[in-house]
Amino acid sequence: GEDVEQSLFLSVREGDSSVINCTYTDSSSTYLYWYKQEPGAGLQLLTYIFSNMDMKQDQRLTVLLNKKDKHLSLRIADTQTGDSAIYFCAETLYNFNKFYFGSGTKLNVKP
Amino acid sequence: DSGVTQTPKHLITATGQRVTLRCSPRSGDLSVYWYQQSLDQGLQFLIHYYNGEERAKGNILERFSAQQFPDLHSELNLSSLELGDSALYFCASSVDPTSNEQFFGPGTRLTVL
Repeated sequence: GEDVEQSLFLSVREGDSSVINCTYTDSSSTYLYWYKQEPGAGLQLLTYIFSNMDMKQDQRLTVLLNKKDKHLSLRIADTQTGDSAIYFCAETLYNFNKFYFGSGTKLNVKP
Repeated sequence: DSGVTQTPKHLITATGQRVTLRCSPRSGDLSVYWYQQSLDQGLQFLIHYYNGEERAKGNILERFSAQQFPDLHSELNLSSLELGDSALYFCASSVDPTSNEQFFGPGTRLTVL
């Protein structure tokens, strides 16, 4: 449950959709998460998905989970400059004793 | 504001020294997690305490130790510091180990010179 991988950078124009991808290796992951980290701040939970779900939508955020490929994505619709931040995906197993994070994707939104 | 506090915000020290980082969880939270965020390794899980007892260990060096006190605040002790220990150290808290939501503190930035 320790290998969570993300691409390092993503650049989009304001108003476009952003898609941030993540792969994980532990098939027994129970919950998968997306966190946002703004400069100089701690991580803020954006959304999470239970492993028996394929999709979860929350306002501008859509999470897609492909369990077969162990692939998680976060789509941000109508991306705004305020969405510029580092986005981390994370996984945990049934006991929630350990959380494993990816290295983070830095999203840059150009006006 | 997540409700999790960490002190100090910044810490500058020399190699070989020992430091203590402090974390106060949100009111009512019994679980505290410690993480290290460095430039080359991302966010690494170090250790998890629940209600005063160690629950799980991650990639924590033997030079590092932690504890959680009866009032539920936690301390992370880093000793024999090396240049590579320079990083942001975050703590997070949750209600208990069955909760899937963690709340992160603002972090302590440690610089080892």
